[in-house]
Amino acid sequence: EADIYQTPRYLVIGTGKKITLECSQTMGHDKMYWYQQDPGMELHLIHYSYGVNSTEKGDLSSESTVSRIRTEHFPLTLESARPSHTSQYLCASLGAGMNTEAFFGQGTRLTVV
Amino acid sequence: DAKTTQPNSMESNEEEPVHLPCNHSTISGTDYIHWYRQLPSQGPEYVIHGLTSNVNNRMASLAIAEDRKSSTLILHRATLRDAAVYYCILREAHSGTYKYIFGTGTRLKVLA
Repeated sequence: EADIYQTPRYLVIGTGKKITLECSQTMGHDKMYWYQQDPGMELHLIHYSYGVNSTEKGDLSSESTVSRIRTEHFPLTLESARPSHTSQYLCASLGAGMNTEAFFGQGTRLTVV
Repeated sequence: DAKTTQPNSMESNEEEPVHLPCNHSTISGTDYIHWYRQLPSQGPEYVIHGLTSNVNNRMASLAIAEDRKSSTLILHRATLRDAAVYYCILREAHSGTYKYIFGTGTRLKVLA
């Protein structure tokens, strides 16, 4: 079973609020990722990190920001939530080497009203 | 970024084999072919991966064409729990990390 956790699982929040989605993994993986997925649609990479203090923007532009202060923790923050941010956010981690697999969290389903 | 092409949906009867195709004509020599599946309301989970040779594990088999421009995920006996969206992904090396670029995937429906 994957040791990667996302909290909260579901979040309904008002417009303009600041929110942080948590992602933690206990596998010591250096590489971590955030994806955004609308219902029935594909996953889009919005942020990734290949270690502490390194973060990069993904292929889909996002108003969210991320930080990587500790290996096991990769939180995503929205400074001012808007209805257009309503989506599912999935976190993943990947170990070293080419012959490894990525582990995904259960996701956070965010609704901004 | 290298892309993959998969049929939008497929159907299978329970207990029968399923062959899920994937085209990746722009694959480079260092790209691994990964398959993940996403069950309803879940994050994706790893199924299988390979580079050049066919691969088998407890979940599935992966058949890779000799020119590596296509591959097929084989579920030997589909069950209702295999109903999911199956993603074929090329794992690219980029800037010291590896980016997983997801396509639209194939939605597999398993009929009882």
